[in-house]
Formats: sequence, structure tokens, C-alpha cells
Amino acid sequence: AQRVTQPEKLLSVFKGAPVELKCNYSYSGSPELFWYVQYSRQRLQLLLRHISRESIKGFTADLNKGETSFHLKKPFAQEEDSAMYYCALSAPGNNRKLIWGLGTSLAVNP
Amino acid sequence: ETGVTQSPTHLIKTRGQQVTLRCSSQSGHNTVSWYQQALGQGPQFIFQYYREEENGRGNFPPRFSGLQFPNYSSELNVNALELDDSALYLCASSSGGANYGYTFGSGTRLTVV
Repeated sequence: AQRVTQPEKLLSVFKGAPVELKCNYSYSGSPELFWYVQYSRQRLQLLLRHISRESIKGFTADLNKGETSFHLKKPFAQEEDSAMYYCALSAPGNNRKLIWGLGTSLAVNP
Repeated sequence: ETGVTQSPTHLIKTRGQQVTLRCSSQSGHNTVSWYQQALGQGPQFIFQYYREEENGRGNFPPRFSGLQFPNYSSELNVNALELDDSALYLCASSSGGANYGYTFGSGTRLTVV
């Protein structure tokens, strides 16, 4: 079954520290992976997608097919990064629906 | 108008009633998906519409139904409401499906009492 796992419900780091939000997926083919972010009192928004290999707000994520992971990383966390982060998977041919993880709440402390 | 707007923002219904939630998608976005997000959970896929036809459905019973209209608006209808239907319902639109990234609305908070 297709599944997205975010093992950490809450991650707390200090400002300037590196941050890594973990995402593992279960899918036998070649999925598309995404990170969405929800800041306090704002709507969900797309942060980045692996297919574009972009860096948004200093965040990067590399798809590791061997480990079936798509961890989100940032070398130096900022207070404004505090938010809820969701990893999501889109399986080709599966009506393009998104399968979501439960989310990780990132708290960046001053 | 840009962005995705949902109405109403909050709604309280009693068990057994029916509810219609509305979404106005971003112009040009011919794909719309609806999600249910319970407190402390990630969004759960309800269904997706492409050019006014349902082209994907999650594990939700038939009492969850939808419509998509030519003007990029859509509806989510839920019949025979149950207490467990209490959640945030999110509408998301895209110009080409999940791979192009979805634009989300702020959601409708439904409370069933």
C-alpha cells in the first residue's frame, strides 16, 4: 500500500541550528514527492517538489529511492520556519491524488 | 480573482443533517480536490474532479459527493452527517493535477453536534 510516514510529530531546534524533517514513503514505482508547509493561521502551501530540484526558503529535499526517503533539510533554521510540515506523495496513474503524512510540527527557538 | 476561496469558514450542523461546502478555484485550474483534515492529522483525500468529472476517490462512503462546475467552482456534499465528520475540509485546485502542485483554500471548519 502507498504510505507516507513522518516519524516525528514534533521537532524543536534552536535558531541557527541545522534541521532535518524526515519523510519515508512506501511505493514500488517512481512517485512524485512534495513538501507542503502550513504557517500559523495560514493555509497549506506548496514548499517544494522533488521533480523541480529547487531550493525554497533555504530548504532542500533529495529523493533517495534506495532508502525510500525524501527528507527536508535546512542548514540554519530561522524562527520564521516554525510551522507544520507535511510530506506528500503522488503516484503516477493513481488519479494523481496526493497521499499525505501526518505532519511534523517544527518549532525554532530563539 | 486569484487564489482558492472556501465558504463558509465555520459551520455547525446536527447529526443526520446534510451540508454543502463550496469552493471557488483559481481561474484556469481544471482540477479540484477535496480533503478532510481531522484535528492533529494530515489531510485525507476525499475525491478529485477534472473537467467536471470525478476521476479519483479516497476511502470515503457514498454519502460524500461532489460537483465541479465550468466556472471553476465546486461543491462537497455530505449527507446523513455523523459526529466523526467534524473536521476541517480543504479544497485544493491545480492546473494539471498533483504533480503541478496544489493551491489550497483556508478550509471550512465543520462541527457536527
